[in-house]
Amino acid sequence: EDQVTQSPEALRLQEGESSSLNCSYTVSGLRGLFWYRQDPGKGPEFLFTLYSAGEEKEKERLKATLTKKESFLHITAPKPEDSATYLCAVQARYSGGGADGLTFGKGTHLIIQP
Amino acid sequence: GAVVSQHPSRVICKSGTSVKIECRSLDFQATTMFWYRQFPKKSLMLMATSNEGSKATYEQGVEKDKFLINHASLTLSTLTVTSAHPEDSSFYICSARPWDRGETQYFGPGTRLLVL
Repeated sequence: EDQVTQSPEALRLQEGESSSLNCSYTVSGLRGLFWYRQDPGKGPEFLFTLYSAGEEKEKERLKATLTKKESFLHITAPKPEDSATYLCAVQARYSGGGADGLTFGKGTHLIIQP
Repeated sequence: GAVVSQHPSRVICKSGTSVKIECRSLDFQATTMFWYRQFPKKSLMLMATSNEGSKATYEQGVEKDKFLINHASLTLSTLTVTSAHPEDSSFYICSARPWDRGETQYFGPGTRLLVL
């Protein structure tokens, strides 16, 4: 069974204080690992897709990295508007039968204080 | 690009009635769409995979007769909650995967369902 564990569950930072969020995964063959941002009452907003170990992606103050067992979302000099829940999800190798969705972690609730 | 819409954004209905939720990909075609459910302060749980022109594939524990899915075109999938009960109250979110973006799924804004 595919599993995704995110840590910490919640993180409070001061504005400008850099940190990293962790996503550990167990999957029967990784097709892709995804990071999303979710604001309260809204759908997830796509951030990054990573496909293989060693891959890195960057967007503004965010950088995602991937190893064979985990992924990190690094946040550099965050601002209050970066406050949100960050979700990690994996997609396993397609095993047929038509089911093809993502397995999500529980998320990290990030608060950036001014 | 890659915008997904849902309608309605929130709905309140009486127990025993049926509710239809629409999911549209606005600027791309999607042969595959997905339906997820999210309970308060919990993560998203996949309900079903919807393939255009064929029957949906449901996850274990999801009643296919209760949650009817139709994917009649490359830009529209619908989820109908039949004979709704209070325990069906939840946040329903759809996603769609563009054919040219690899495995990335783009999510709609969600539909809040409250069954009284």
